[in-house]
Formats: sequence, structure tokens, C-alpha cells
Amino acid sequence: ETGVTQTPRHLVMGMTNKKSLKCEQHLGHNAMYWYKQSAKKPLELMFVYSLEERVENNSVPSRFSPECPNSSHLFLHLHTLQPEDSALYLCASSPAGQGADNTGELFFGEGSRLTVL
Amino acid sequence: AQSVTQPDIHITVSEGASLELRCNYSYGATPYLFWYVQSPGQGLQLLLKYFSGDTLVQGIKGFEAEFKRSQSSFNLRKPSVHWSDAAEYFCAVVTAYGGSQGNLIFGKGTKLSVKP
Repeated sequence: ETGVTQTPRHLVMGMTNKKSLKCEQHLGHNAMYWYKQSAKKPLELMFVYSLEERVENNSVPSRFSPECPNSSHLFLHLHTLQPEDSALYLCASSPAGQGADNTGELFFGEGSRLTVL
Repeated sequence: AQSVTQPDIHITVSEGASLELRCNYSYGATPYLFWYVQSPGQGLQLLLKYFSGDTLVQGIKGFEAEFKRSQSSFNLRKPSVHWSDAAEYFCAVVTAYGGSQGNLIFGKGTKLSVKP
């Protein structure tokens, strides 16, 4: 148990479907992240939220839409995805701000395995 | 630009043998360095981290890593590998201190297989 929970663990969807991935953290952190992990590629940072505001969006296609309603929850809304979007999507959290607690260490969930048909 | 290089994509060792996974980083200042492990179908778990002080750091599961500034390296070691250590290992470096800007840069990972 890492303190970061992702649901669903597995998702299969067609290209015209709309679905959402959910992430919840119980660590009292104020920053949350979405990463994409594809085969034979390094981890790709998709989105960063700090104190519920988006601070980074690494040129992710608009078919991925993040939402951070509070510091404990993060969603990734998916619509009209492509087969190349099939990957493991990892959520992570960390303390926000400049305090000594924030060393850059990330705490990861177990991931949501997405397959786009 | 900051980067992390893990030169070995896949390593196979026999159970009970020693292990060393290589990591080199490119970063101007003193970095914060991490090793994460990912078992199949799982997320990433922190093995150990280096911030400052003693350059030999101990982690969980019997792993250790040594920071060598002169070689820009942070290699991961274990004296005796167990079958349960089969996983993928990621080296990472923080490129800016403080804040929450997603500044953790990951290497491409090294997959470890363990032979009985």
C-alpha cells in the first residue's frame, strides 16, 4: 500500500468511448502528477498539479483532459483516444512548496493499464 | 539539458550472484538522486535516495547505491540477488530543488532477470 490508489487498474476502450482514470492519495500531499509509461519508452510526464492548479502540461494532446478537484484527487478524462495511447498511466504525489519535506521524491500508485482498440 | 542514462537495457544474473546497475546523470549542480523499482504490472517504489552527506546510501530490500561525483554516477548494487528482485529499475534525478514542478527526470530503465 503506497498511499496512492488508482482506479481502474485495467481499462479497455474503443476509440470513440469516453472514460476516466481516477487517482486518490492519502499522504497529505499537495502536488499530483500523471505519467504515461509505454513499452520501450522512458516515463513521460503528462500533467502536474500543485495546490490544485495545473503547473505543467507537456504538450499532451487534448484528447487527454486532467481534473484536480482537490488536493487528494486527480482524474484523467479520456476521449477519442488512439491505439498508440495504450499504455500504463501512473499517478504520483509529492509535497508541494519549498519546505524540507519536498525533495522531489514521488510516491506512485500502481497504475492503470489502458488498452485502446 | 539534464539527463539520466542507464546504459544497460536488460541484465540477467543468477540467483545469489552480486548485482550492479549503472546510472549516469548530466546535471551541473549537486543532484538529488533516486532509484525506483517497478515489478510487473505495478507502480514505482522508491528503493533509496541520495541528497547529501555519506555517498554510500542504503535502501530497502538490501540494496545500496554509491554517489560518485567525479564520474557523475549513482550505481545500484546488491551483494546477493534473490529471485524476487526480478523487476525493472529506474534511476532518476531532480533537476530543481523545492517546488512541485515535475522536475524528476527518469532514465529509460534496466530490466533485471534472475536465473535460478
